[in-house]
Amino acid sequence: GGIITQTPKFLIGQEGQKLTLKCQQNFNHDTMYWYRQDSGKGLRLIYYSITENDLQKGDLSEGYDASREKKSSFSLTVTSAQKNEMAVFLCASSIARAGGYAEQFFGPGTRLTVL
Amino acid sequence: GDSVTQTEGPVTVSESESLIINCTYSATSIAYPNLFWYVRYPGEGLQLLLKVITAGQKGSSRGFEATYNKETTSFHLQKASVQESDSAVYYCALGDRYNQGKLIFGQGTKLSIKP
Repeated sequence: GGIITQTPKFLIGQEGQKLTLKCQQNFNHDTMYWYRQDSGKGLRLIYYSITENDLQKGDLSEGYDASREKKSSFSLTVTSAQKNEMAVFLCASSIARAGGYAEQFFGPGTRLTVL
Repeated sequence: GDSVTQTEGPVTVSESESLIINCTYSATSIAYPNLFWYVRYPGEGLQLLLKVITAGQKGSSRGFEATYNKETTSFHLQKASVQESDSAVYYCALGDRYNQGKLIFGQGTKLSIKP
């Protein structure tokens, strides 16, 4: 088995501030993902990464940057925090599988509050 | 576009009663849809409940079942007799067999079981 760790668990920032969320996994998975979940809504993909130094934009990438410096970690930066993006941010990972299904495993989430 | 719609929550069911949570999808840009049910139990992270990657097949786990119906574009979650431990939030999700970055979630259905 393995585990995904997200830090911090709670993140409070000021409007306009740059904020960074971190994710670590010890599954030795190739692919990692960042999702945003607004209250009462489903998850939406922000960025994903197939391997180190790879970045792929999801549907919600505007206003965010991501960084995958090594296989086990994936960071997400909110470039200028806005009140309408208060949400829970979920990190996930999976093996890389072209042409087949690869289960995603999720972390516990980081809850972002913008003052 | 691609989307997932599921039963609006919250849903309350008495213990030992049957349950159905509806899920319908639209996969206009996905040639080979994969379908999933994820679950978040209280205090835990999001985890995969069951998956079906071939149309016409049924997936099952922990007494839950769901059949991938291509004709009606549906993937309803059913259980014959629910238990208090089934109280959770359930998410239907649509994936793309050839695009690892694509996993589209429904809004979630909060299920409470009355003892």
